[in-house]
Amino acid sequence: EIVMTQSPATLSVSPGERASLSCRASQSISTNLVWYQQKPGQAPRLLIYGASTRATGVPARFSGSGSGTEFTLTISSLQSEDFAVYYCQQNDKWPPLTFGGGTKVELK
Amino acid sequence: EARLLESGGGLLQPGGSLRLSCAASGFTFSSYAMAWVRQAPGRGLEWVSTVGTSADTEYADSVRGRFTISRDNYNNILYVEMNSLGAEDTAIYYCARKLPGHNPFDCWGQGTLVTVSS
Repeated sequence: EIVMTQSPATLSVSPGERASLSCRASQSISTNLVWYQQKPGQAPRLLIYGASTRATGVPARFSGSGSGTEFTLTISSLQSEDFAVYYCQQNDKWPPLTFGGGTKVELK
Repeated sequence: EARLLESGGGLLQPGGSLRLSCAASGFTFSSYAMAWVRQAPGRGLEWVSTVGTSADTEYADSVRGRFTISRDNYNNILYVEMNSLGAEDTAIYYCARKLPGHNPFDCWGQGTLVTVSS
Protein backbone atom coordinates (compact mmCIF):
# COMPACT_ATOMS: atom_id res chain seq x y z
CA GLU A 1 0.00 0.00 0.00
CA ILE A 2 1.25 3.49 -0.88
CA VAL A 3 1.12 5.77 2.14
CA MET A 4 0.49 9.45 1.50
CA THR A 5 1.77 11.94 4.09
CA GLN A 6 0.70 15.58 4.09
CA SER A 7 2.34 18.44 5.91
CA PRO A 8 1.73 20.55 7.76
CA ALA A 9 -1.49 19.34 9.37
CA THR A 10 -2.58 22.96 9.80
CA LEU A 11 -1.39 26.04 7.96
CA SER A 12 -2.27 29.50 9.29
CA VAL A 13 -2.26 32.08 6.53
CA SER A 14 -3.47 35.65 6.07
CA PRO A 15 -5.58 36.61 3.03
CA GLY A 16 -3.37 37.57 0.12
CA GLU A 17 -0.45 35.47 1.32
CA ARG A 18 1.03 32.49 -0.49
CA ALA A 19 0.39 28.99 0.84
CA SER A 20 2.43 25.89 0.07
CA LEU A 21 1.11 22.46 1.01
CA SER A 22 3.25 19.34 0.84
CA CYS A 23 2.36 15.74 0.02
CA ARG A 24 4.81 12.85 0.09
CA ALA A 25 4.29 9.33 -1.25
CA SER A 26 5.95 6.31 0.32
CA GLN A 27 7.10 5.18 -3.13
CA SER A 28 7.26 6.72 -6.57
CA ILE A 29 3.88 7.47 -8.14
CA SER A 30 5.16 9.33 -11.21
CA THR A 31 2.71 12.23 -11.63
CA ASN A 32 -0.38 10.24 -10.65
CA LEU A 33 -1.30 12.64 -7.88
CA VAL A 34 -4.58 14.44 -7.27
CA TRP A 35 -5.50 17.35 -5.00
CA TYR A 36 -8.98 17.92 -3.59
CA GLN A 37 -10.45 20.79 -1.60
CA GLN A 38 -13.09 20.17 1.04
CA LYS A 39 -15.06 22.85 2.86
CA PRO A 40 -17.07 22.13 6.02
CA GLY A 41 -20.27 20.23 5.32
CA GLN A 42 -19.41 19.78 1.65
CA ALA A 43 -18.14 16.99 -0.54
CA PRO A 44 -14.56 17.11 -1.80
CA ARG A 45 -13.96 19.08 -4.97
CA LEU A 46 -11.35 18.17 -7.57
CA LEU A 47 -8.63 20.83 -7.90
CA ILE A 48 -5.57 19.33 -9.57
CA TYR A 49 -4.90 16.04 -11.32
CA GLY A 50 -1.85 14.57 -12.97
CA ALA A 51 0.10 16.49 -10.31
CA SER A 52 -0.18 19.81 -12.16
CA THR A 53 -3.31 20.04 -14.35
CA ARG A 54 -6.04 22.29 -13.00
CA ALA A 55 -9.57 20.91 -13.18
CA THR A 56 -12.24 22.82 -15.07
CA GLY A 57 -13.17 26.06 -13.32
CA VAL A 58 -10.29 26.04 -10.84
CA PRO A 59 -8.73 29.50 -10.49
CA ALA A 60 -5.20 30.04 -11.77
CA ARG A 61 -3.98 30.90 -8.26
CA PHE A 62 -3.97 27.15 -7.58
CA SER A 63 -0.98 25.28 -8.97
CA GLY A 64 0.46 21.83 -8.46
CA SER A 65 3.98 20.56 -8.95
CA GLY A 66 6.16 17.56 -8.31
CA SER A 67 6.76 14.02 -9.44
CA GLY A 68 7.95 10.76 -7.98
CA THR A 69 7.44 11.07 -4.24
CA GLU A 70 7.32 14.82 -3.52
CA PHE A 71 4.43 17.08 -4.47
CA THR A 72 3.32 20.61 -3.68
CA LEU A 73 0.05 22.48 -3.95
CA THR A 74 0.57 26.23 -4.04
CA ILE A 75 -2.09 28.88 -3.60
CA SER A 76 -0.46 32.07 -4.84
CA SER A 77 -2.65 34.63 -3.06
CA LEU A 78 -5.14 33.23 -0.60
CA GLN A 79 -8.72 34.35 -0.92
CA SER A 80 -11.36 34.00 1.80
CA GLU A 81 -13.02 31.15 -0.07
CA ASP A 82 -9.79 29.12 -0.04
CA PHE A 83 -9.86 28.39 3.68
CA ALA A 84 -10.59 24.66 3.67
CA VAL A 85 -9.01 21.25 4.07
CA TYR A 86 -6.89 19.98 1.19
CA TYR A 87 -6.28 16.29 0.51
CA CYS A 88 -3.84 14.62 -1.84
CA GLN A 89 -4.56 11.20 -3.34
CA GLN A 90 -2.48 8.80 -5.39
CA ASN A 91 -4.03 6.91 -8.29
CA ASP A 92 -0.87 5.23 -9.52
CA LYS A 93 -0.94 1.81 -7.91
CA TRP A 94 -4.16 0.46 -6.52
CA PRO A 95 -6.00 -1.06 -4.80
CA PRO A 96 -6.04 0.60 -2.49
CA LEU A 97 -6.46 4.16 -3.66
CA THR A 98 -4.98 6.19 -0.83
CA PHE A 99 -5.42 9.70 0.48
CA GLY A 100 -3.21 11.84 2.63
CA GLY A 101 -4.44 12.91 6.03
CA GLY A 102 -5.22 16.43 4.88
CA THR A 103 -3.92 19.96 5.49
CA LYS A 104 -6.27 22.48 7.02
CA VAL A 105 -5.69 26.01 5.75
CA GLU A 106 -7.00 28.41 8.35
CA LEU A 107 -7.16 32.14 8.85
CA LYS A 108 -4.15 33.54 10.68
CA GLU B 1 -24.38 18.80 -15.64
CA ALA B 2 -23.21 15.61 -13.96
CA ARG B 3 -24.89 14.85 -10.65
CA LEU B 4 -24.66 12.12 -8.05
CA LEU B 5 -27.23 11.72 -5.28
CA GLU B 6 -26.71 9.24 -2.45
CA SER B 7 -29.45 7.78 -0.30
CA GLY B 8 -30.02 5.01 2.21
CA GLY B 9 -27.99 6.16 5.19
CA GLY B 10 -29.27 5.95 8.74
CA LEU B 11 -28.77 4.77 12.29
CA LEU B 12 -28.36 1.09 12.95
CA GLN B 13 -27.04 -1.26 15.58
CA PRO B 14 -23.73 -3.10 15.42
CA GLY B 15 -23.94 -6.22 13.32
CA GLY B 16 -26.64 -4.75 11.12
CA SER B 17 -26.86 -4.36 7.36
CA LEU B 18 -27.63 -1.48 5.05
CA ARG B 19 -27.76 -0.76 1.34
CA LEU B 20 -26.71 2.62 0.01
CA SER B 21 -27.70 3.90 -3.42
CA CYS B 22 -26.26 6.60 -5.64
CA ALA B 23 -28.38 7.91 -8.50
CA ALA B 24 -26.40 9.36 -11.39
CA SER B 25 -27.58 11.84 -13.99
CA GLY B 26 -26.19 14.19 -16.61
CA PHE B 27 -23.50 11.87 -17.98
CA THR B 28 -23.02 8.48 -19.62
CA PHE B 29 -22.96 6.36 -16.47
CA SER B 30 -21.71 3.20 -18.16
CA SER B 31 -18.54 4.96 -19.34
CA TYR B 32 -17.31 5.70 -15.83
CA ALA B 33 -15.88 3.67 -13.01
CA MET B 34 -17.80 4.41 -9.82
CA ALA B 35 -16.60 4.37 -6.25
CA TRP B 36 -17.57 4.77 -2.63
CA VAL B 37 -15.36 6.93 -0.42
CA ARG B 38 -16.13 7.45 3.25
CA GLN B 39 -15.23 9.98 5.90
CA ALA B 40 -15.55 9.21 9.59
CA PRO B 41 -16.60 12.18 11.77
CA GLY B 42 -13.74 14.67 11.98
CA ARG B 43 -11.44 12.40 9.99
CA GLY B 44 -9.96 12.22 6.50
CA LEU B 45 -11.09 10.49 3.34
CA GLU B 46 -10.95 6.71 2.97
CA TRP B 47 -11.49 4.85 -0.29
CA VAL B 48 -13.92 1.97 0.22
CA SER B 49 -14.62 0.30 -3.11
CA THR B 50 -14.69 0.76 -6.87
CA VAL B 51 -16.66 -0.90 -9.64
CA GLY B 52 -15.25 -0.54 -13.12
CA THR B 53 -17.00 -0.16 -16.45
CA SER B 54 -16.89 -3.94 -16.88
CA ALA B 55 -18.36 -4.47 -13.40
CA ASP B 56 -14.95 -5.50 -12.07
CA THR B 57 -14.72 -4.71 -8.35
CA GLU B 58 -12.06 -3.74 -5.82
CA TYR B 59 -12.33 -3.29 -2.07
CA ALA B 60 -10.37 -1.81 0.79
CA ASP B 61 -9.11 -4.45 3.21
CA SER B 62 -11.26 -2.91 5.94
CA VAL B 63 -14.49 -3.81 4.12
CA ARG B 64 -13.60 -6.80 1.93
CA GLY B 65 -15.95 -9.70 2.62
CA ARG B 66 -18.52 -7.42 4.29
CA PHE B 67 -19.36 -4.88 1.56
CA THR B 68 -20.53 -5.58 -1.99
CA ILE B 69 -20.48 -2.88 -4.64
CA SER B 70 -22.62 -3.13 -7.76
CA ARG B 71 -23.99 -1.00 -10.57
CA ASP B 72 -27.17 -0.85 -12.64
CA ASN B 73 -26.26 0.71 -15.97
CA TYR B 74 -29.87 0.65 -17.15
CA ASN B 75 -31.15 2.82 -14.32
CA ASN B 76 -27.83 4.65 -13.70
CA ILE B 77 -27.55 3.63 -10.05
CA LEU B 78 -24.57 2.61 -7.96
CA TYR B 79 -25.07 0.46 -4.88
CA VAL B 80 -23.16 -0.79 -1.92
CA GLU B 81 -24.50 -3.55 0.30
CA MET B 82 -22.94 -3.33 3.75
CA ASN B 83 -23.09 -6.21 6.23
CA SER B 84 -21.71 -6.90 9.72
CA LEU B 85 -21.45 -3.20 10.39
CA GLY B 86 -19.46 -1.94 13.33
CA ALA B 87 -18.81 1.41 14.98
CA GLU B 88 -15.74 1.79 12.77
CA ASP B 89 -18.03 1.99 9.74
CA THR B 90 -19.71 5.16 11.03
CA ALA B 91 -19.04 7.78 8.38
CA ILE B 92 -20.40 9.92 5.61
CA TYR B 93 -20.40 7.78 2.49
CA TYR B 94 -19.77 9.59 -0.78
CA CYS B 95 -20.15 8.17 -4.24
CA ALA B 96 -17.80 9.46 -6.88
CA ARG B 97 -17.08 8.85 -10.55
CA LYS B 98 -13.81 8.49 -12.43
CA LEU B 99 -12.81 7.62 -15.93
CA PRO B 100 -10.85 4.36 -16.20
CA GLY B 101 -7.11 4.55 -15.74
CA HIS B 102 -5.07 7.10 -13.83
CA ASN B 103 -7.93 9.55 -13.60
CA PRO B 104 -9.27 11.44 -10.61
CA PHE B 105 -12.65 11.44 -8.92
CA ASP B 106 -14.06 14.40 -10.82
CA CYS B 107 -17.63 14.39 -9.55
CA TRP B 108 -18.85 13.62 -6.03
CA GLY B 109 -22.25 13.28 -4.43
CA GLN B 110 -23.21 15.19 -1.30
CA GLY B 111 -22.87 12.09 0.87
CA THR B 112 -25.13 10.04 3.12
CA LEU B 113 -24.46 9.49 6.82
CA VAL B 114 -24.26 5.99 8.26
CA THR B 115 -24.17 5.76 12.04
CA VAL B 116 -23.57 2.43 13.76
CA SER B 117 -24.33 2.59 17.46
CA SER B 118 -26.10 0.61 20.14
